[in-house]
Amino acid sequence: DIQMTQSPSTLSASVGDRVTITCRASQSISRWLAWYQQKPGKAPKLLIYKASNLESGVPSRFSGSGSGTEFTLTISSLQPDDFATYSCQQYDSSPLTFGGGTKVEIK
Amino acid sequence: EVQLLESGGGLVQRGGSLRLSCAASGFIFNNYAMSWVRQAPGKGLEWVSSIGGSGGNTYYADSVKGRFTISRDISKNTLDLLMNSLRAEDTAVYYCAKDSSTSPGYYNDYWGQGTLVTVSS
Repeated sequence: DIQMTQSPSTLSASVGDRVTITCRASQSISRWLAWYQQKPGKAPKLLIYKASNLESGVPSRFSGSGSGTEFTLTISSLQPDDFATYSCQQYDSSPLTFGGGTKVEIK
Repeated sequence: EVQLLESGGGLVQRGGSLRLSCAASGFIFNNYAMSWVRQAPGKGLEWVSSIGGSGGNTYYADSVKGRFTISRDISKNTLDLLMNSLRAEDTAVYYCAKDSSTSPGYYNDYWGQGTLVTVSS
């Protein structure tokens, strides 16, 4: 199975900050990576697919980059609605696997 | 608007069975694969099972293979997960998720709100 490792596990930031979350795959997954946002008690929401494609309706302050084994999710200017947990998912091969999540907290 | 509504969760004893259902609307149901993804308390997301758009191909995580069965009813736009021989480690919120393709193995573009399954020992 492909292991997905996210860092950091927790991130404290302020409104307006630029935030970067990293996701590393245990082997190359080309660009077959998605990012999700999840708030407590809510369903995950798709943000990014194929490493850098923004899902329809997602604010442009979110962006994704990377290929192979290293990927990043960047929020250019953190907004109050962005405090949540972010998870990456590889869909290069079965079983599909997720990172452990990065919780973005208010500083 | 895509809507996915799970039901069937609850408290069950170890070794018992439970059937989860997901009612889907707002898209052409048989055009897309569907999945179940779970999240244990305080843990990350874990893919459980997927089924192709036509219902012919099914896939399972090793942790549930032989115990769980995924199925779909195209006439009713419903997705089911029959869970047998439940273990304490199956305790989780179970999400129904729409795949972004007819074939399983792609990202999930819509998710339900989840249903909690608690297995007591």
